[in-house]
Amino acid sequence: ETGVTQTPRHLVMGMTNKKSLKCEQHLGHNAMYWYKQSAKKPLELMFVYNFKEQTENNSVPSRFSPECPNSSHLFLHLHTLQPEDSALYLCASSQGAYFTGELFFGEGSRLTVL
Amino acid sequence: KQEVTQIPAALSVPEGENLVLNCSFTDSAIYNLQWFRQDPGKGLTSLLLIQSSQREQTSGRLNASLDKSSGRSTLYIAASQPGDSATYLCAVTIYNQGGKLIFGQGTELSVKP
Repeated sequence: ETGVTQTPRHLVMGMTNKKSLKCEQHLGHNAMYWYKQSAKKPLELMFVYNFKEQTENNSVPSRFSPECPNSSHLFLHLHTLQPEDSALYLCASSQGAYFTGELFFGEGSRLTVL
Repeated sequence: KQEVTQIPAALSVPEGENLVLNCSFTDSAIYNLQWFRQDPGKGLTSLLLIQSSQREQTSGRLNASLDKSSGRSTLYIAASQPGDSATYLCAVTIYNQGGKLIFGQGTELSVKP
C-alpha cells in the first residue's frame, strides 16, 4: 500500500466512449502526476500538477483531459480514444520544493481501447 | 535532451548471487535519481532515492550509488532471492523542469531458486 489509490484498475472502452480515471493520494503531497506505460517503452510523463495548478503538459493529445480539483485528487478524462492509447496509466505523487521528493505510484489503471 | 539507459535489459541469476544493475544518463544536471521496482501488471514501488549531492543510499540488501559527473548509477542487490524477481527502473528528475522524471526502459531480473 503506497498511499496512492487508482480506480478503476481495469477499463475497456470503445473509441466513442467517454470515461474517467481517478487517483487519490493520502500522503499530504503537493504534486501529482499522470504517466503512461506502453509495452516495451519507457514510462512517459503526461501531466504534472503542483498545488492544483498544471505545470507540465508533455504534448499530450486533447482527447486526454486532466482535472485536479484539490491536492489529493487527480482525474484523467478520456474521450474519443484510439487503440494505440491502450496502456497502463499510472498516477504518482510527491512532496518537496522543486519536485525533489520521492515519487509514490499507484497500482495503475489498465486501459484497453477497442 | 536527457536520455536514460539501463543495461542489461534482462538478467537471470541463481539464488544467492550478488548482482549489479546499471543506469546511465546523458545530462548531469539532475535533482535526484530514483530506483523503482515493478512487478508484472502492477505499479511502481520506490526502492531508493539519491539526491544529487549524495553518493549512495542503502536499504537492507540494496545499495544504490550515484556518480553525477560520469552520468552513472548502480543498484547493487546482495544475496539475491526469488522474490527479487521483477523489473527495476531508474529515473532522473531534471533540474529546473518542474518535476519531470525521465525513466529508463528497465532491467527485467529473474532470480532462479
